[in-house]
Amino acid sequence: QLQLQESGPGLVTPAETLSLSCIVSGGSITTANYWWGWIRQPPGKGLEWIGIVFYSGTTHSNPSLKSRITMSVDTSKNQFFLKLNSVTAADTAIYYCARQVGLGAWTMDVWGKGTTVTVSS
Amino acid sequence: QSALTQPASVSGSPGQSVTISCTGTSTNIGNYDLVSWFQQHPGKAPNLMIYEVVKRPSGVSDRFSASKSGNTASLTISGLQPEDEADYYCCSYAHGDFLVFGGGTKLTVL
Repeated sequence: QLQLQESGPGLVTPAETLSLSCIVSGGSITTANYWWGWIRQPPGKGLEWIGIVFYSGTTHSNPSLKSRITMSVDTSKNQFFLKLNSVTAADTAIYYCARQVGLGAWTMDVWGKGTTVTVSS
Repeated sequence: QSALTQPASVSGSPGQSVTISCTGTSTNIGNYDLVSWFQQHPGKAPNLMIYEVVKRPSGVSDRFSASKSGNTASLTISGLQPEDEADYYCCSYAHGDFLVFGGGTKLTVL
């Protein structure tokens, strides 16, 4: 059974870069027709889609965040990554990684449990 | 402010049906049959309930159904059960290759 697990720093200083990783187990990150994505949820608020990355490195991202994010994949470790630079308190959220079914369906069918990131000095 | 508009809350008694609406625009819901619905219990990750407007993933109860008309998608939960109490989010593909979410609807089972 496919499982995803996020990991990250927990606390990030304002203006610095947030770096998260997601390890995929129970399946290969290079499986055709699946992309790997990030979604976040500020405390007490709704979900926000951040972006997705294909194992080849191709990405699609939220226009509101595009200038600040970098997504990548390490196929040898079955992991994918998110970097968000110039963070502010508004970036405080639970960050989820998820498998996104191919671009035809545009939906997330397997989610990690989420990791909490707080931006504070 | 979310790109898709959902009611903040809905409620119903056990056994009843409730419908949650999700209103977007022609740049998302109106022109693409790529609407999903997610259920989220407190402290848990979201769970996919509906995709491509009307399709249910394996394992999702047939008490959950959905539809779309124009710029508005809807999720209907029939035969309400206590475990259905959760937050529900709609999500749609948007022109330009990204996804947008609704603000979420809290379902209370009375």
